[in-house]
Amino acid sequence: KNQVEQSPQSLIILEGKNCTLQCNYTVSPFSNLRWYKQDTGRGPVSLTIMTFSENTKSNGRYTATLDADTKQSSLHITASQLSDSASYICVVNSGNTPLVFGKGTRLSVIA
Amino acid sequence: DSGVTQTPKHLITATGQRVTLRCSPRSGDLSVYWYQQSLDQGLQFLIQYYNGEERAKGNILERFSAQQFPDLHSELNLSSLELGDSALYFCASSVVAGDTIYFGEGSWLTVV
Repeated sequence: KNQVEQSPQSLIILEGKNCTLQCNYTVSPFSNLRWYKQDTGRGPVSLTIMTFSENTKSNGRYTATLDADTKQSSLHITASQLSDSASYICVVNSGNTPLVFGKGTRLSVIA
Repeated sequence: DSGVTQTPKHLITATGQRVTLRCSPRSGDLSVYWYQQSLDQGLQFLIQYYNGEERAKGNILERFSAQQFPDLHSELNLSSLELGDSALYFCASSVVAGDTIYFGEGSWLTVV
């Protein structure tokens, strides 16, 4: 069964600290993996997209990694800001619809 | 602004009623998706249309139906509403299936 598991479920960090969110998937075949940021009550916004051949991709303070062999991805946030407080959702595309969504990691950045 | 427009933003209705949620995809996008997100839950895929045709169906209840019109806008119809249908309903669109999907801001449905 195609699944995407994210950990931790929730996370609280101090402003300025770094954190890493994990995503493990069993989706097959694999086409690409995306990380979305969802502010409370808002629509998700794409942060990065990674294909099979990409290991690392950065978008500002966000860096995503992908290990297609172990079917794991991570999203690293550096120098966190209060505005980073949101849910981060890992989404895997098998090339066959529908996309497989993780349940997300809820990040709270506190002063 | 993702370019995906959803109306209404908020809706309160009684059990047993029927509502219609509307979505205008980004200009040029042929695929439209509908998702349901209940409180503190992940996004649940409901249905996808591509250029007017149903492409994929997820965990969509029989009380729910959707369609995509020739101008590519889409409507999600929810009938015989129950308290448990209260949720945030998102529409998303992409150029083609598998491409990055862009979400609207959602329609908050509260069933009382």
